[in-house]
Amino acid sequence: KAGVTQTPRYLIKTRGQQVTLSCSPISGHRSVSWYQQTPGQGLQFLFEYFSETQRNKGNFPGRFSGRQFSNSRSEMNVSTLELGDSALYLCASSFGRASYEQYFGPGTRLTVT
Amino acid sequence: SQQGEEDPQALSIQEGENATMNCSYKTSINNLQWYRQNSGRGLVHLILIRSNEREKHSGRLRVTLDTSKKSSSLLITASRAADTASYFCATDVRDDKIIFGKGTRLHILP
Repeated sequence: KAGVTQTPRYLIKTRGQQVTLSCSPISGHRSVSWYQQTPGQGLQFLFEYFSETQRNKGNFPGRFSGRQFSNSRSEMNVSTLELGDSALYLCASSFGRASYEQYFGPGTRLTVT
Repeated sequence: SQQGEEDPQALSIQEGENATMNCSYKTSINNLQWYRQNSGRGLVHLILIRSNEREKHSGRLRVTLDTSKKSSSLLITASRAADTASYFCATDVRDDKIIFGKGTRLHILP
């Protein structure tokens, strides 16, 4: 069974731009969660989608948004990028709730200059 | 403030020794999970322990949970070089958000 895939793996953007990251979950998994990982703040929960509905949201500004498609694939969008948005963005999928075992993708390394 | 905090922040031990790391959390949980992250394999799920369980084993891993003290420990026995990684606890709080700690960096010395 193929694992969680994320594209692109690396991205360099300029302040003020926007970016869209993509995540394809494991086949059959309906929950997709997004996390931001930085050396200072560690792993922080962004949001969780289940069956195309946002089920939960972390404490991030509205510049961070996401969506899930009918095939469970998910996208995350960050608008008006700031230097502090530089991070590793991880996507995880699980069969049911995000509180069950999650399978993580390799991440997208975003650098904002 | 962090819901889950691992202790110690970093740990170096000789290969073959046991490694113990702890996680403390603040609010009631449904379950607690441990994950490992290294550069080669990314973030990998190790074990999940439910709030009504006290101990769980998986291979060389032993996890305990003390809900009265709001703490958990992860024991890795007979450590190997491949165990070098960062270890995170993740708690599922009552509103179903998953909160990760900042991790313990484990280094296995040859």
